Amino acid sequence: KAGVTQTPRYLIKTRGQQVTLSCSPISGHRSVSWYQQTPGQGLQFLFEYFSETQRNKGNFPGRFSGRQFSNSRSEMNVSTLELGDSALYLCASSRFWNTEAFFGQGTRLTVV
Amino acid sequence: DAKTTQPNSMESNEEEPVHLPCNHSTISGTDYIHWYRQLPSQGPEYVIHGLTSNVNNRMASLAIAEDRKSSTLILHRATLRDAAVYYCILRDESGGSNYKLTFGKGTLLTVNP
Repeated sequence: KAGVTQTPRYLIKTRGQQVTLSCSPISGHRSVSWYQQTPGQGLQFLFEYFSETQRNKGNFPGRFSGRQFSNSRSEMNVSTLELGDSALYLCASSRFWNTEAFFGQGTRLTVV
Repeated sequence: DAKTTQPNSMESNEEEPVHLPCNHSTISGTDYIHWYRQLPSQGPEYVIHGLTSNVNNRMASLAIAEDRKSSTLILHRATLRDAAVYYCILRDESGGSNYKLTFGKGTLLTVNP
């Protein structure tokens, strides 16, 4: 079966712009979570959605937001981009919130 | 979140067993021990998880100490494809809890041919 699909794979944006990343979970999975990975901070949890509701949020500024649609697809948005937002953004899906997570290959965001 | 401690790096030879340790002295009774690994240029991949008893699956075995303050991920015959960063994660799975995965720095496993 198809895995977690993240689009786009690579993105270059300018400081101050906003960006939207997309994640399509594995069919039948209702939980989607997002992580940011940087060389300095490692993998950090951003937020998690289950059945269109945000259940958990990590320690990130309000510029980072997300949503989940009725088909479980999820988007995350970062507004007013800063250089420090350059990172690999990973999406993971699970059948339920406490089952194993399947990760996509990520979106590599570069802010210049 | 309860904390885990892993060695920064380990080295192994191909086709030999690998034992990756993890210390979690502050583990609580409802914390499950999860292992994920991240191959170069890939997202993390689930390996195995357990609560109290040792667990086996097609990828690896998980040996959990009787007091649950430490665990060991065992790769029975390392291959070059097993070279990755291995993360040991505790996740509280009691009802209504925060089920996020909190990643530490992990152990970088190098497999020599």
